[in-house]
Amino acid sequence: AQKITQTQPGMFVQEKEAVTLDCTYDTSDQSYGLFWYKQPSSGEMIFLIYQGSYDEQNATEGRYSLNFQKARKSANLVISASQLGDSAMYFCAMRVSGEAAGNNRKLIWGLGTSLAVNP
Amino acid sequence: KAGVTQTPRYLIKTRGQQVTLSCSPISGHRSVSWYQQTPGQGLQFLFEYFSETQRNKGNFPGRFSGRQFSNSRSEMNVSTLELGDSALYLCASSLIPGDNEQFFGPGTRLTVL
Repeated sequence: AQKITQTQPGMFVQEKEAVTLDCTYDTSDQSYGLFWYKQPSSGEMIFLIYQGSYDEQNATEGRYSLNFQKARKSANLVISASQLGDSAMYFCAMRVSGEAAGNNRKLIWGLGTSLAVNP
Repeated sequence: KAGVTQTPRYLIKTRGQQVTLSCSPISGHRSVSWYQQTPGQGLQFLFEYFSETQRNKGNFPGRFSGRQFSNSRSEMNVSTLELGDSALYLCASSLIPGDNEQFFGPGTRLTVL
């Protein structure tokens, strides 16, 4: 079964420290993509970072990096130098290839991790 | 550049009614996807539209339907509302299907009483 698991319902971090949010995935597909999104209390999802299954280098975007360990099927998000504005829900998602041609938009989501950054 | 807009932002309906939600994608984006977000189930994919055609559909009953217009604006409709339909409905747009980056709207919070 294709599944995303985020085992940390809530996390706390001190401002300016780094934090790692866990994500493990399950798929039998060889080609897949992994995403992290941030959802502040306003509700909209904000794209943070993407890692393709064939990418050899870990993806980085500013203060965000994705620690991709393919053999362990994990795609943890690392946020460096946390800021108060980082307080939000964080979702890991996986895009898998569909059975039909072009069926490539189905994203499977984890239940999220609530991150609170303390001043 | 304006972001994805969704209207209305909040909606209260009663069981058995129907509802229509609207999504305007970012200018130039032609792909629109819809998601349902609930605390227990998380985000679940509803459907995706591109060039006025439904390209992909999630595992939702036929009460959930959608469409896309020639200007890429999309609507989703839920008929015969049930209490379990209470959720945040998110719309996301991208230039084309398969783009790694989707831009999400603020969502429509639907409450069914």
